[in-house]
Amino acid sequence: GAVVSQHPSWVICKSGTSVKIECRSLDFQATTMFWYRQFPKQSLMLMATSNEGSKATYEQGVEKDKFLINHASLTLSTLTVTSAHPEDSSFYICSARVRGRYEQYFGPGTRLTVT
Amino acid sequence: AQSVTQLDSHVSVSEGTPVLLRCNYSSSYSPSLFWYVQHPNKGLQLLLKYTSAATLVKGINGFEAEFKKSETSFHLTKPSAHMSDAAEYFCVVSGASGGYQKVTFGTGTKLQVIP
Repeated sequence: GAVVSQHPSWVICKSGTSVKIECRSLDFQATTMFWYRQFPKQSLMLMATSNEGSKATYEQGVEKDKFLINHASLTLSTLTVTSAHPEDSSFYICSARVRGRYEQYFGPGTRLTVT
Repeated sequence: AQSVTQLDSHVSVSEGTPVLLRCNYSSSYSPSLFWYVQHPNKGLQLLLKYTSAATLVKGINGFEAEFKKSETSFHLTKPSAHMSDAAEYFCVVSGASGGYQKVTFGTGTKLQVIP
């Protein structure tokens, strides 16, 4: 149980275009979803926290207009990287948490490369 | 304030020997603590968690960790390393901060298993 999927697993896009990444909880309802960014050989950096039906809470330094997060249902959250630039290239990982539980269940990640 | 320190960025052990990955934390409140494992280009998998129940926590794949409040530690151990254990391990603390749960990741420990 507690499986989280991400789609796509990797994507290459041109500078200036937008990319949408989906995060789904497959066998449970996720009241809270998190989006992380991981640079090579580094730890995860929390970008934002989203609760179903409400606006995402962004961490300091993360541009909300650039990284659009939508948590439309209890099983789906999306991250859209708008007007992508090469410096946005990274490994993006989502996680989901059930109400009342503290552990997070992570998706497999999405490798974004902006050329 | 909340923080987590993984004392070793790299640990190298021989197959069949014990594994010790160290983690120290600080938190204003009684925290929940987790260990996650990440294999290359993969998402994170929950190994085990401490949430104020038994201080010795057993996880998957033979790993266990002991919560020691007096030492503010949550070290991860395994009696006998297997080649498949080679991966990056993250210690995570989750505690109340400003009315919501704040999650902090350690910088990770890369475990190398030598045949």
